[in-house]
Amino acid sequence: GEDVEQSLFLSVREGDSSVINCTYTDSSSTYLYWYKQEPGAGLQLLTYIFSNMDMKQDQRLTVLLNKKDKHLSLRIADTQTGDSAIYFCADSSGSGNTGKLIFGQGTTLQVKP
Amino acid sequence: NAGVTQTPKFQVLKTGQSMTLQCAQDMNHEYMSWYRQDPGMGLRLIHYSVGAGITDQGEVPNGYNVSRSTTEDFPLRLLSAAPSQTSVYFCASSYSQGNTEAFFGQGTRLTVV
Repeated sequence: GEDVEQSLFLSVREGDSSVINCTYTDSSSTYLYWYKQEPGAGLQLLTYIFSNMDMKQDQRLTVLLNKKDKHLSLRIADTQTGDSAIYFCADSSGSGNTGKLIFGQGTTLQVKP
Repeated sequence: NAGVTQTPKFQVLKTGQSMTLQCAQDMNHEYMSWYRQDPGMGLRLIHYSVGAGITDQGEVPNGYNVSRSTTEDFPLRLLSAAPSQTSVYFCASSYSQGNTEAFFGQGTRLTVV
């Protein structure tokens, strides 16, 4: 079945850029998502990219999609301590438009002052 | 507009007990899903529904039942709780067309002793 993989941990200094990477297996992906989870809370959608796009920018967030390598990345510019959270990559492919999402394991981002 | 509401927020069960996790959404979403979150494993799909009266199994359905008698509600039932079901449970809902952004509840932290 479909699989989504992420590294588990990333540590950066405040003000630096963070890059969180994700790989997926299903070539029929339509939408790919980045969710953020703060401690004790549910998941909030950060941004998404449609499969016919290579890049999407939204303020401090830049999403890059390499369909050939099935690689997705999230870049956070000028990372702040408030960006410390778990970031999940999710893939809606293979769902037949049922609302199912396949999640990666989540990357814990630690931002040091 | 409350979004997705889950109750209870916390629950401790003894092995063998049964209980129902409640989920309600007020956005008239057709799609609803239940996920469990375990450390290092991301979110795994338990059951999902594409509309009232229609449910299907996800990746880890064993030990759980669902029903969808109305568009708004999607309860998750644990018939005989086991320690392996200790987890954080999230309910999500989404639109049926196009970008399937999922809206998540705040989660239910369940401990089975």
